[in-house]
Amino acid sequence: SQQGEEDPQALSIQEGENATMNCSYKTSINNLQWYRQNSGRGLVHLILIRSNEREKHSGRLRVTLDTSKKSSSLLITASRAADTASYFCATAGREYGNKLVFGAGTILRVKS
Amino acid sequence: KAGVTQTPRYLIKTRGQQVTLSCSPISGHRSVSWYQQTPGQGLQFLFEYFSETQRNKGNFPGRFSGRQFSNSRSEMNVSTLELGDSALYLCASSAGLAGGHNEQFFGPGTRLTVL
Repeated sequence: SQQGEEDPQALSIQEGENATMNCSYKTSINNLQWYRQNSGRGLVHLILIRSNEREKHSGRLRVTLDTSKKSSSLLITASRAADTASYFCATAGREYGNKLVFGAGTILRVKS
Repeated sequence: KAGVTQTPRYLIKTRGQQVTLSCSPISGHRSVSWYQQTPGQGLQFLFEYFSETQRNKGNFPGRFSGRQFSNSRSEMNVSTLELGDSALYLCASSAGLAGGHNEQFFGPGTRLTVL
């Protein structure tokens, strides 16, 4: 089952532009995580934001969380070709037995 | 610290066979989770082990099983393979209990093809 849904499904931008990906989920959560995956390889953890937090930064990444709208966004500023990857949001909450449930992902392509 | 390692990286089996995949977590991590990734179903949680005990289980048939050893290394087994079991199997380790409490560190995955 997939609790999170990313939007858009695919995004193509020029190097240097900002990329914004959105994630919506259905139930209450403990926290939400964003991961990156390059070409069918392992996932890399980007950011974990807890349900009582509204915004978090890590380098060129900015994540927001709106629990009233059950949504999160990931912003990548000044994108680089190396940012080309699939990005997944993952949530965990009591209704899913606290296991991590991933969305379908957004495929980001950064053109140089 | 060495990352999460998975063996083998690639595997080809035929229907009806069984397969065992192995995962070595980051040193000191006691939690290991397994996921199946397919183009159609995406990333789906299989199970989580912590200190040799299964703590959580996804919605998969009993053909999928796993275990964790005292050194935190984990194996998962799939018996009576079906074509639909072809997937990338990912293992992830975490310092504490996984789920939503901690970030997970993923291995490179085992690509299983069932013919």
